[in-house]
Amino acid sequence: QVQLVQSGAEVKKPGASVKVSCKASGYTFTSYGISWVRQAPGQGLEWMGWISAYNGNTNYAQKLQGRVTMTTDTSTSTAYMELRSLRSDDTAVYYCARAGDGVKPYWYFDLWGRGTLVTVSS
Amino acid sequence: EIVLTQSPGTLSLSPGERATLSCRASQSVSSSYLAWYQQKPGQAPRLLIYGASSRATGIPDRFSGSGSGTDFTLTISRLEPEDFAVYYCQQYGSSPTFGQGTKVEIK
Repeated sequence: QVQLVQSGAEVKKPGASVKVSCKASGYTFTSYGISWVRQAPGQGLEWMGWISAYNGNTNYAQKLQGRVTMTTDTSTSTAYMELRSLRSDDTAVYYCARAGDGVKPYWYFDLWGRGTLVTVSS
Repeated sequence: EIVLTQSPGTLSLSPGERATLSCRASQSVSSSYLAWYQQKPGQAPRLLIYGASSRATGIPDRFSGSGSGTDFTLTISRLEPEDFAVYYCQQYGSSPTFGQGTKVEIK
């Protein structure tokens, strides 16, 4: 069925990096984009950025520029989000979500992964 | 950045009642690029409405969206037990932003 399956929970120390994966199935991966959205404990939703699975173009939220990198592997229909220089306020559930037609970076999210909890703690 | 403000913060209603949720934008949302999501505890958000008023696939017709410019509304005509959740609006006319959410709780 149509789904996004994310990698498991991570615990990282401040200053470290984390890389979360999101494997798509049930649809043509390269016809869409993937956005990443995070949610701190008990808080709302924050858009982190977008990558086109069609051509690899990216668009990152300004506050994360320089710390985040999004990539895709079209051979395995998998998207990745790497966040560097982790801080305690990066502790959150990280979601991948299908977004748009692979060309437009700003779109709504019609298919979501179940989320990956990243805990940053010393 | 477009700031979205949702009201009320919490809505206490009984099953069968009508729910009206508001989402106000700090500047006009181009082309009515406004979506609504439902989120239940421990779950990912689920898309309800896009383009301000179009229901997503499989969404019951008791959910409806309206509005344009800076003022948008999500209406649930008759609340079912499974509708008690947190609802978020999101604009995608520019760099996407979300409202802070409205919790619909059982009265």
